[in-house]
Amino acid sequence: AQKITQTQPGMFVQEKEAVTLDCTYDTSDQSYGLFWYKQPSSGEMIFLIYQGSYDEQNATEGRYSLNFQKARKSANLVISASQLGDSAMYFCAMRERNAGNNRKLIWGLGTSLAVNP
Amino acid sequence: GAVVSQHPSRVICKSGTSVKIECRSLDFQATTMFWYRQFPKQSLMLMATSNEGSKATYEQGVEKDKFLINHASLTLSTLTVTSAHPEDSSFYICSARMSEQWAKNIQYFGAGTRLSVL
Repeated sequence: AQKITQTQPGMFVQEKEAVTLDCTYDTSDQSYGLFWYKQPSSGEMIFLIYQGSYDEQNATEGRYSLNFQKARKSANLVISASQLGDSAMYFCAMRERNAGNNRKLIWGLGTSLAVNP
Repeated sequence: GAVVSQHPSRVICKSGTSVKIECRSLDFQATTMFWYRQFPKQSLMLMATSNEGSKATYEQGVEKDKFLINHASLTLSTLTVTSAHPEDSSFYICSARMSEQWAKNIQYFGAGTRLSVL
């Protein structure tokens, strides 16, 4: 069965430093997609970054990069130069195996990141 | 781009009343929208998948008569919590997927609705 595992319930990082949030996944599919979302205390879910299983390069979006290691089935999120506004919950997700419109996302339990000034 | 508006952001109602939550994609068309429920300090729980012009697909254990979903246009889906009770109090959040991005399934989320039933 497909599964996402985030083993870090909480993380601390000093402002301006880089931080890595771990995500491992389990799937037997060859084609899949991996996502990271950010949820501040306000509640909205903000899409950060997407990595397709066939993408040759690691995805990057500004200060966010996804360290995709296919053989290890890991898709860690790296945030460079942390800012106070990065304090939030971070969720890793995977596209469910399914064709058609009803394909869903499988979610991890999240990692709470606190950025210290 | 990819803005999803969800309204209201917060609602307090009496037990037995119905509450309607709207989810709009403001700058893109969304054939498919998703409704989630989130309990404190937990991950998202998918309630139903809403496709424009057809009946919603509910997840196992979600009462379709309790949580009515309508997706009447490519930019609007609504969730109505009928005869709400205190146990329905929760954070409800919707997402929309761009029609042309169905393969990747990138979902863009609204800001959520915090429902409190007294």
